[in-house]
Amino acid sequence: DADVTQTPRNRITKTGKRIMLECSQTKGHDRMYWYRQDPGLGLRLIYYSFDVKDINKGEISDGYSVSRQAQAKFSLSLESAIPNQTALYFCATSRQGVDTQYFGPGTRLTVL
Amino acid sequence: ILNVEQSPQSLHVQEGDSTNFTCSFPSSNFYALHWYRWETAKSPEALFVMTLNGDEKKKGRISATLNTKEGYSYLYIKGSQPEDSATYLCAFGIQGAQKLVFGQGTRLTINP
Repeated sequence: DADVTQTPRNRITKTGKRIMLECSQTKGHDRMYWYRQDPGLGLRLIYYSFDVKDINKGEISDGYSVSRQAQAKFSLSLESAIPNQTALYFCATSRQGVDTQYFGPGTRLTVL
Repeated sequence: ILNVEQSPQSLHVQEGDSTNFTCSFPSSNFYALHWYRWETAKSPEALFVMTLNGDEKKKGRISATLNTKEGYSYLYIKGSQPEDSATYLCAFGIQGAQKLVFGQGTRLTINP
């Protein structure tokens, strides 16, 4: 079984809709991250969390919110989706902040 | 804002040839440099993490070197094979920070 899972794997939604992407991990890591990937731009950090009580904004947090429901679960929400949020979204975990990160399979989100 | 640059952005190599590409990062407050391999339709997977100036790591035909004083790392692939086709990401960890900064990646295509 995968250590880091994401649901859904693919999602098509309409402008203005609220959508939640979920991430679960069985690695027992405290650190969890949400990234988006756009062609030619690499991975950009949206939010990261050190534990359930510690949430931090990344470089592109506008238009997104997160919830750390438990050590193993970290959800990303788009309150009102817009077309330029169409991207591939990755969740990742690590033991410490600069340690190796372990990535989920990604969620491909399309906002029409 | 930390800048991690990878070059070239894309590379086409003939099967059997050797190749290398570069990751440039700030030389101050260095903590770690990571390389990830990211195949199409999969999630990034860790290749190497290096922490000391002069570090060299090797995994099969792939190796990496690190120069923290001048702020660069090279990734080498010897005798390229079609299965080496992927995007190679580097990520820089700064001392005291709790996250990695990713480069935009080098997309490698091996032509049979």
